[in-house]
Amino acid sequence: NAGVTQTPKFQVLKTGQSMTLQCAQDMNHEYMSWYRQDPGMGLRLIHYSVGAGITDQGEVPNGYNVSRSTTEDFPLRLLSAAPSQTSVYFCASSLMASNEKLFFGSGTQLSVL
Amino acid sequence: GESVGLHLPTLSVQEGDNSIINCAYSNSASDYFIWYKQESGKGPQFIIDIRSNMDKRQGQRVTVLLNKTVKHLSLQIAATQPGDSAVYFCAENDSGAGSYQLTFGKGTKLSVIP
Repeated sequence: NAGVTQTPKFQVLKTGQSMTLQCAQDMNHEYMSWYRQDPGMGLRLIHYSVGAGITDQGEVPNGYNVSRSTTEDFPLRLLSAAPSQTSVYFCASSLMASNEKLFFGSGTQLSVL
Repeated sequence: GESVGLHLPTLSVQEGDNSIINCAYSNSASDYFIWYKQESGKGPQFIIDIRSNMDKRQGQRVTVLLNKTVKHLSLQIAATQPGDSAVYFCAENDSGAGSYQLTFGKGTKLSVIP
């Protein structure tokens, strides 16, 4: 049972480049979400999904897109990377939206130059 | 706006001693609280949670105490071990607001001195 799997673990981008951070879970969880973690800021919610085909914005959605075509996968797309998006990104899931206990992936460290 | 914060950003304890990590919350309507442990280079890992209808909950070597009167949450770790060294986050949610999104505090770094 792998839990929540994120790839890549590290990524360096140039300003303006686009990329997709991958997230997959094998626990049949309905709820999936993306957070960014910055020093002194704690974890901030970017986007979330309560089920396949349904996504919604969190606290800091600008510059990011998501889709949820399957229960297992929830990719996060950076359309045009900016230095302000340098951060550590975590994907998290829970059994259902009403279950607040989140299971986190190991994170993607992204640097935008 | 509402926020979740911590009294102490860093805490150093001797191996074998008990640790107490504190968390203050400002949303009096919050009814769910959770503690996470984050080791260096890893994602947050669930430790223990508690709902507002309880004031204490125990796990293996950990206890969470909730004082709704003063809006304070604490995590107690018994017989602290070097493997407990990590950053600890509290988070809260007001499920009555129709949201199931956790609001996280900024974290406390626990260092265990061998």
